[in-house]
Amino acid sequence: QQQVKQSPQSLIVQKGGISIINCAYENTAFDYFPWYQQFPGKGPALLIAIRPDVSEKKEGRFTISFNKSAKQFSLHIMDSQPGDSATYFCAATSFSGSARQLTFGSGTQLTVLP
Amino acid sequence: EAQVTQNPRYLITVTGKKLTVTCSQNMNHEYMSWYRQDPGLGLRQIYYSMNVEVTDKGDVPEGYKVSRKEKRNFPLILESPSPNQTSLYFCASSWLQSNSPLHFGNGTRLTVT
Repeated sequence: QQQVKQSPQSLIVQKGGISIINCAYENTAFDYFPWYQQFPGKGPALLIAIRPDVSEKKEGRFTISFNKSAKQFSLHIMDSQPGDSATYFCAATSFSGSARQLTFGSGTQLTVLP
Repeated sequence: EAQVTQNPRYLITVTGKKLTVTCSQNMNHEYMSWYRQDPGLGLRQIYYSMNVEVTDKGDVPEGYKVSRKEKRNFPLILESPSPNQTSLYFCASSWLQSNSPLHFGNGTRLTVT
């Protein structure tokens, strides 16, 4: 059962363009939505995250847009650079006191052409 | 330096030969987890641990075992590896809270022939 659906699977963007990756979740108990960035040969690392009571969060060229009613969130990379070429994972997480649930999307391989 | 250390980075083995992948973190995190990464399937959780001696199954636990005897260590054990366990494995740790980011190791690429 895939609780977080991510699209597209791969994305090619020209340098300076906007990269957009979308995710949708099912479980309304999720209360935190991070994005992770992974470079080849490395483990994923936290890029940016958002709480569901916020509709948008921006850090530099990276912005998360969050639509609670639609249960969707997306990552926007403005002015995309070749150094942004990586795999991006969205995730959704919750903690109930006795269990922590963290589910990842299937990943998006982003290639930014010079 | 805060880090999660996995060993080995690369491992080639044969079907049925028991192996252990080690994972150690130096941040005193309560939560530790193992994931496998396969093309098109993303990161799937194998097992996780909320604290010492507390472990639970993730989404794909079949064929794997774990233990958490010390807070810093969370080894992954494959008692009888099979070719379908060929994958890239990641260990991660964090605090328990939802907004605590996961810190990942650099991965172990396992090939079972």
